[in-house]
Amino acid sequence: KAGVTQTPRYLIKTRGQQVTLSCSPISGHRSVSWYQQTPGQGLQFLFEYFSETQRNKGNFPGRFSGRQFSNSRSEMNVSTLELGDSALYLCASRPSGSLYEQYFGPGTRLTVT
Amino acid sequence: LAKTTQPISMDSYEGQEVNITCSHNNIATNDYITWYQQFPSQGPRFIIQGYKTKVTNEVASLFIPADRKSSTLSLPRVSLSDTAVYYCLAFNTGGFKTIFGAGTRLFVKA
Repeated sequence: KAGVTQTPRYLIKTRGQQVTLSCSPISGHRSVSWYQQTPGQGLQFLFEYFSETQRNKGNFPGRFSGRQFSNSRSEMNVSTLELGDSALYLCASRPSGSLYEQYFGPGTRLTVT
Repeated sequence: LAKTTQPISMDSYEGQEVNITCSHNNIATNDYITWYQQFPSQGPRFIIQGYKTKVTNEVASLFIPADRKSSTLSLPRVSLSDTAVYYCLAFNTGGFKTIFGAGTRLFVKA
């Protein structure tokens, strides 16, 4: 079974621009979560989607948004990029019936200049 | 959500057993303890989860005492490839939020 895939793997954007990151969960997984990882703040939860609905949200500004499609694929959007948004963005999917075990993708490395 | 505290780093040698302890003093009744492993430039990988007492799988063992205020991840006979960051987290079954702590950087030496 293919793992969680994220595209693109690397991205360079300029301050003020917006960016959209994509995540395809493992087939059959309906829950998708997004995390931001930086050296200073560690791994921080952004939000989780289940069956196209946002089920939970972390403490990030409204510039960070997401959505999930009917095929469980998810996108995350960051508008008006700031230098501090430079990070590794990780997506994770969870199988139905499992509360604890998440499968992470390789991440998208975003650099804002 | 329960806050977890782990040592920042640990060193070990190949073949040794490594025990990483995590404290979670304000753990809630519906919190489960889970551990993840992360290698550089990769996403975290689930290792093990438990609620109370001892759980063992093919990779590790997890010990949680009766008061559940701490937990210990035990890695038997580590190898160089076990060098990674290990995260202890309390997963709340009510909120579906996963809060990662700072993690423990384990360095296995030859």
